[in-house]
Amino acid sequence: GAVVSQHPSRVICKSGTSVKIECRSLDFQATTMFWYRQFPKKSLMLMATSNEGSKATYEQGVEKDKFLINHASLTLSTLTVTSAHPEDSSFYICSARDPGGLGSEQYFGPGTRLTVT
Amino acid sequence: DAKTTQPTSMDCAEGRAANLPCNHSTISGNEYVYWYRQIHSQGPQYIIHGLKNNETNEMASLIITEDRKSSTLILPHATLRDTAVYYCIVSPNFGNEKLTFGTGTRLTIIP
Repeated sequence: GAVVSQHPSRVICKSGTSVKIECRSLDFQATTMFWYRQFPKKSLMLMATSNEGSKATYEQGVEKDKFLINHASLTLSTLTVTSAHPEDSSFYICSARDPGGLGSEQYFGPGTRLTVT
Repeated sequence: DAKTTQPTSMDCAEGRAANLPCNHSTISGNEYVYWYRQIHSQGPQYIIHGLKNNETNEMASLIITEDRKSSTLILPHATLRDTAVYYCIVSPNFGNEKLTFGTGTRLTIIP
């Protein structure tokens, strides 16, 4: 199947700083990518839908000014956690669909574990 | 809110078939049934999806009831590497539709 990568895989930052997470589709172009957050022993919660060339669509309760999403190209979306706090510590996962694939399945990145100290 | 109901956990002996049920009684006519799994600390992995006919691929089989209100994912010969959380999701097949994850079933393969 198609490959989605994320960078970094792990990051530790101090409270109040900003962290950028990259999501790349390696062998296909994705006009839409999705960002999820997962707390320990919990399910994935969709944060926002990232649209290439336009503004992201955020889910209810997700602060758009805190979680900045940029989808500047068909293979790259970035999530920036601004002014991070310990409660932002979580596992962040992106996904994308390969429009040239056989089905409509989405492919997920390996995730980024953020720890805010 | 997730539109599916799955058992919280299941065990299966290594080498046996693992049958994971999912109820989706409010599924709409244009919604497919998707199955993903998540191995600890990794991103979810696509397994299979279907509309109303049974489907089979190299990973698993999907059996959907005639009324489409429930389905079963079958891993024919479970291995220890199949230990994961399995998510059943219903969604239109528009490709860019967002996926809503429920709590899933934690499947443990017993040696």
